[in-house]
Amino acid sequence: QVELLESGGGVVQPGRSLRLSCAASGFTFSSYPMHWVRQAPGKGLEWVTLISSDGSNKHYADSVKGRFTISRDDSDNTLFLQMNSLRTEDTAVYYCAREDGDLGNTFDIWGQGTMVTVSS
Amino acid sequence: SYVLTQPPSVSVAPGQTARITCGGDNIGSKPVHWYQQRPGQTPVVVIYDDSDRPSGIPERFSGSNSGKTATLTISRVEAGDEADYYCQVWDNPSYHVIFGGGTKLTVL
Repeated sequence: QVELLESGGGVVQPGRSLRLSCAASGFTFSSYPMHWVRQAPGKGLEWVTLISSDGSNKHYADSVKGRFTISRDDSDNTLFLQMNSLRTEDTAVYYCAREDGDLGNTFDIWGQGTMVTVSS
Repeated sequence: SYVLTQPPSVSVAPGQTARITCGGDNIGSKPVHWYQQRPGQTPVVVIYDDSDRPSGIPERFSGSNSGKTATLTISRVEAGDEADYYCQVWDNPSYHVIFGGGTKLTVL
């Protein structure tokens, strides 16, 4: 069964850091580019960052560039998101998602999400 | 950066046809994808590359894209189609992913 499972969310003060993880199972993790997408409470989807299948290319939304870092450990089938200098506007459910080249490079598999709340 | 514009809401009676638009500068030159997000659930691809349907998506879902507007059409709307719908494109060469603001489909 193809599955993504996020963890690491929680409540954190502005300016602090948090590291999210996404455990993949049921597919060859190393073959797929992976993304983080977030959704603020009651709001729409916002793409955050992407890492290529071999980890050599990373791209970030302007809103998180310089503060967030995406990485992957293919030996452990895990995707990470290191979030530094957190702001109240980073409050959201964070989803990891698989990019499928056979489906128009869309996000065909999503995790259930992990909630990050930035508040003093 | 590239912006996609969707109407916040669309309402339709059961059995009728719903059309959800997604506007963007010369969007007709980009492949457009559509996601359905039911309340409390994660997004699901319903249309990719303008008009292709993933396996398992009913034929009632179709898409088109030309000029400045892409459109998701849902025929014979059912109560289960009530959801938020998002269009999405890739903004090349930045390799950024762009989502529209989302449209809430209400089945009357």
